Amino acid sequence: AQTVTQSQPEMSVQEAETVTLSCTYDTSENNYYLFWYKQPPSRQMILVIRQEAYKQQNATENRFSVNFQKAAKSFSLKISDSQLGDTAMYFCAFMKQRSGIIQGAQKLVFGQGTRLTINP
Amino acid sequence: DVKVTQSSRYLVKRTGEKVFLECVQDMDHENMFWYRQDPGLGLRLIYFSYDVKMKEKGDIPEGYSVSREKKERFSLILESASTNQTSMYLCASSPGYHTQYFGPGTRLTVL
Repeated sequence: AQTVTQSQPEMSVQEAETVTLSCTYDTSENNYYLFWYKQPPSRQMILVIRQEAYKQQNATENRFSVNFQKAAKSFSLKISDSQLGDTAMYFCAFMKQRSGIIQGAQKLVFGQGTRLTINP
Repeated sequence: DVKVTQSSRYLVKRTGEKVFLECVQDMDHENMFWYRQDPGLGLRLIYFSYDVKMKEKGDIPEGYSVSREKKERFSLILESASTNQTSMYLCASSPGYHTQYFGPGTRLTVL
C-alpha cells in the first residue's frame, strides 16, 4: 500500500517570502502521479500542481513549483513571492497509474496536510 | 468550470439517525468519490464509484454505504449515525484517473 507523509503540520512565513512544503511517499510502483492540493479557509479543495512520475522535468504553475526526486521519493512544493491568499491547508497526494484498459477509478492517497499561514 | 456541489455545508444529527449526504457534479464525470477529513489524518477515502450503480470500497467503508442511481449524483449514507462519524465530508469527481475536483464539504456533527 502507498503512504504519503507530510512532516510539517504547520508553517508560517511573511508575505513575499519563499516557502517550501515537504512531502515524502512510499510506493513500489514505477508509474504514478503526484499532486498538491490547496484547501483555503472556505474549504473548497483545489488542485495546485500535478507531476507525472515518468517526467523528469519538474512541474511549475506560475509561483508554484515542485522538486520531484523520484529515487528519494520526495515531492516538495515551493511557493515563491508568497501572498496572503496562499494561506491554506496544503495536501500532497499520490495516485497509481492504471495500466491497460481496466474499468474503474484510481484512488488518491493523501498526506496529513500542512497548514500554511502567510503573515502580512 | 467544473462544479461539484454538496447538499449541506453544516449538518447536525442525533446518534442512531439515518443520514444522507448528497453530491452533484455538472461535468458528466465517470468517477465520483467520498472522503472524510479529520485533523492530523488528512483525507481518507470512504467509497468511490466509476459508473452508474457501480461502487467500490475505499479505505474506511465501515458504517457507510453509497448510492449512484444517476451519473451526476453520488450519495453517502450513514445508516445509523454515531458520534465517531462527526467529521468533514468531501465529495469529488473526475473525468478519468487524473485530477479530482472537490465540493465545498459538509461538516457533520453527530450528537
